[in-house]
Amino acid sequence: GAVVSQHPSWVICKSGTSVKIECRSLDFQATTMFWYRQFPKQSLMLMATSNEGSKATYEQGVEKDKFLINHASLTLSTLTVTSAHPEDSSFYICSARDLGGYNSPLHFGNGTRLTVT
Amino acid sequence: DQQVKQNSPSLSVQEGRISILNCDYTNSMFDYFLWYKKYPAEGPTFLISISSIKDKNEDGRFTVFLNKSAKHLSLHIVPSQPGDSAVYFCAAADRGSTLGRLYFGRGTQLTVWP
Repeated sequence: GAVVSQHPSWVICKSGTSVKIECRSLDFQATTMFWYRQFPKQSLMLMATSNEGSKATYEQGVEKDKFLINHASLTLSTLTVTSAHPEDSSFYICSARDLGGYNSPLHFGNGTRLTVT
Repeated sequence: DQQVKQNSPSLSVQEGRISILNCDYTNSMFDYFLWYKKYPAEGPTFLISISSIKDKNEDGRFTVFLNKSAKHLSLHIVPSQPGDSAVYFCAAADRGSTLGRLYFGRGTQLTVWP
């Protein structure tokens, strides 16, 4: 089945630094990838839609200058948390859909646990 | 505004019995529904889906039922196994809107005990 790889699985960084998270579709191409954030005991909240070769579409309330998204190829999207603060600590998850199926389900990466100290 | 609601945060079921997880939605434009299973510190894994043209979809031990008039769907797991213990997310999509946008419920923690 389709696999989405997310790296790193967890990261601890100091306040004020930037962190990059990678999301790769391993055996399929994805023109669109999605970035979610999950708080403890909360639902998955869509942050932005990453489009290959164009600017990402951000959800309301998500700072585009803080959460930089780059989708440079059909298999890779990156999320960079800039000038991280403790309140950015969360579980970030990416997802992608196989180009070949409109009704195919989203495939998710295993997530990245970010802790900002 | 939570368009997909899972009102039961947790469910505990004995091994071998049926698990029924419920989900309600408010947006009548939703026409595609999915269930995902999630273990701690992992991403969600797709389980089963249903299109609005159907009212039932079955895959092995998992069956999803859709009641469009009530805007309600449920996931049945029979028989339940300890390995089914996880958080289950209900998700919905309006396929006429942005491709791939899913709306998630808050999840239900299922615990299957021996």
